[in-house]
Amino acid sequence: QSVVTQPPSASGTPGQRVTISCSGSNSNIGTNHVHWYRQLPGTAPKLLIYGDNQRPSGVPDRFSGSKPGTSASLAISGLRSEDEADYFCAVWDDSLRVVVFGGGTKLTVL
Amino acid sequence: QVQLVESGGGVVQPGRSLRLSCVASGFTLSSHAMHWVRQAPGKGLEWVTLISYDGNNKYYADSVRGRFTISRENSRNSLYLQMNSLRGEDTGVYFCARALKENTKTMDVWGKGTTVTVSS
Repeated sequence: QSVVTQPPSASGTPGQRVTISCSGSNSNIGTNHVHWYRQLPGTAPKLLIYGDNQRPSGVPDRFSGSKPGTSASLAISGLRSEDEADYFCAVWDDSLRVVVFGGGTKLTVL
Repeated sequence: QVQLVESGGGVVQPGRSLRLSCVASGFTLSSHAMHWVRQAPGKGLEWVTLISYDGNNKYYADSVRGRFTISRENSRNSLYLQMNSLRGEDTGVYFCARALKENTKTMDVWGKGTTVTVSS
């Protein structure tokens, strides 16, 4: 079981807003920045959000991140079929001194 | 064009060794910390190791500490992962990834990965 927990699946219809949660503890999310990655089948992960809520160049503002306390969330608004992918959160853990990934959330666009 | 290309994967017997390489292009490798991340078949991402921009600081996942060694050769724009005493659970795709300058725990550029299969 991962130190950081994500729901295994999420779904939404085109145009909808969906959120994916990432739950941790004081030694990781409570203290350090959370980052989000998206992975399409058979491809390398892509950085989506870094530093809790910053978007790299080229990532549309439909994607946003927040971090209240020891949990973080990724929100996707205006859902599109191409958003169907696996989403992973990641954060440094001060106690373990490692990067921990959440188990991943498979997003299905209905 | 910023790019990372991994190589060195293959099929290896349990207990044997393998060395992965990652060649960087389009940016100055010596300015960035670097990571290795792996993914077992059908599973999620697992962070493996991190090396600072100058190679002086290294961090490892518990699952590989003592068996894997990360190193870099900035003059050759290259990152390496020496994997010893390989186990079946080490099977997967291995990605090298560049760390952001402002946050070395963030991976902003990823290679396409190289596949390691540990099997007798």
